[in-house]
Amino acid sequence: GQSLEQPSEVTAVEGAIVQINCTYQTSGFYGLSWYQQHDGGAPTFLSYNALDGLEETGRFSSFLSRSDSYGYLLLQELQMKDSASYFCAVSPPQRALTFGSGTRLQVQP
Amino acid sequence: GAGVSQSPSNKVTEKGKDVELRCDPISGHTALYWYRQSLGQGLEFLIYFQGNSAPDKSGLPSDRFSAERTGGSVSTLTIQRTQQEDSAVYLCASSRDYGTDSYEQYFGPGTRLTVT
Repeated sequence: GQSLEQPSEVTAVEGAIVQINCTYQTSGFYGLSWYQQHDGGAPTFLSYNALDGLEETGRFSSFLSRSDSYGYLLLQELQMKDSASYFCAVSPPQRALTFGSGTRLQVQP
Repeated sequence: GAGVSQSPSNKVTEKGKDVELRCDPISGHTALYWYRQSLGQGLEFLIYFQGNSAPDKSGLPSDRFSAERTGGSVSTLTIQRTQQEDSAVYLCASSRDYGTDSYEQYFGPGTRLTVT
């Protein structure tokens, strides 16, 4: 089976940098995805790592270490609109995504 | 282009009634997924469809839950004899392909189901 762990809540101030960690256990693995979900909204895709290393997309970066079964999402220059829940998800072969329980990010002024 | 749409957006039903939830995926997306999300929780996988292959029903919580996908497009999730623990937001997603491309899923706005 698959399981993922991520912190339940993180608080940071505007302009700061925040890192949301995700550790996973899975039998078979394609990659690690990150999704953002605002309250009352649908999850939206942020990034995907299939290989070890850092992927950068604007203010957001995502990192993966397959040997450590670990990844993180890095958000820079935080803005109030970044307040949302962030989910990591694993892509096991021939199965649908398995999502973590989510990290609620509160950005304070 | 049009995104994933779901209907109804809200559904209130009495315990014991059957409900049907509908999902229209993005045109051309061959994979379709149903998830359930309880308040403040993560997404729980229910079922997925990929083209003409048999659906993966491994996430369905009980035999009261079923889903079908007609013509490789629209999908309906049916919950029979609803229970209060079925109350949640039901999210549908689609993606271009299953396998390596399934990591980027496009979600609909969800159907909020309340069982009274």
